[in-house]
Amino acid sequence: NAGVTQTPKFQVLKTGQSMTLQCAQDMNHEYMSWYRQDPGMGLRLIHYSVGAGITDQGEVPNGYNVSRSTTEDFPLRLLSAAPSQTSVYFCASSPGSEAFFGQGTRLTVV
Amino acid sequence: LAKTTQPISMDSYEGQEVNITCSHNNIATNDYITWYQQFPSQGPRFIIQGYKTKVTNEVASLFIPADRKSSTLSLPRVSLSDTAVYYCLVGVLNYGGSQGNLIFGKGTKLSVKP
Repeated sequence: NAGVTQTPKFQVLKTGQSMTLQCAQDMNHEYMSWYRQDPGMGLRLIHYSVGAGITDQGEVPNGYNVSRSTTEDFPLRLLSAAPSQTSVYFCASSPGSEAFFGQGTRLTVV
Repeated sequence: LAKTTQPISMDSYEGQEVNITCSHNNIATNDYITWYQQFPSQGPRFIIQGYKTKVTNEVASLFIPADRKSSTLSLPRVSLSDTAVYYCLVGVLNYGGSQGNLIFGKGTKLSVKP
């Protein structure tokens, strides 16, 4: 039981490049979400999903896309990376009460 | 959404009991109170959750007064390894919409000194 697995752990992108941050969970949780955390700040919700085929926007969705084709996977896509998207990204899954977080992806956009 | 207010930082010494209070004046009837802990370079970790009165687990206690407008996380006999950021969150439990309301503030940075 690996919990929530995020890949990659570190990534450097050039402005304008696209990439996908991967998130997988093996706990059969319906709810999954993506957050970003900037230095000295709390976590801000980007997108979330309450089940396969269902996604919705959080506080800061601009510049990010998500899809949920399976219960296990919830990838986050950056379509055209910008320096303002430099951050640490956390994926979480939940059975409806407590949330389980991955170890994070540290993304730098230059 | 019920907004929460916590102290930005707290200092303590090893062996002391630490109490972190969170204000949530606009808490709704269906809202639960949940606390998370975050170490540097790690994702947040669930500590404790409650609705009213007192909840205790192997890590902490959560005290919630009758009016539920505040809550206090109590960490008994802290050690250096309890140095972390602690977040107080308020929201409903069922994910029919709730976890979209899982909003983190800046939290309380607890520093435990030897």
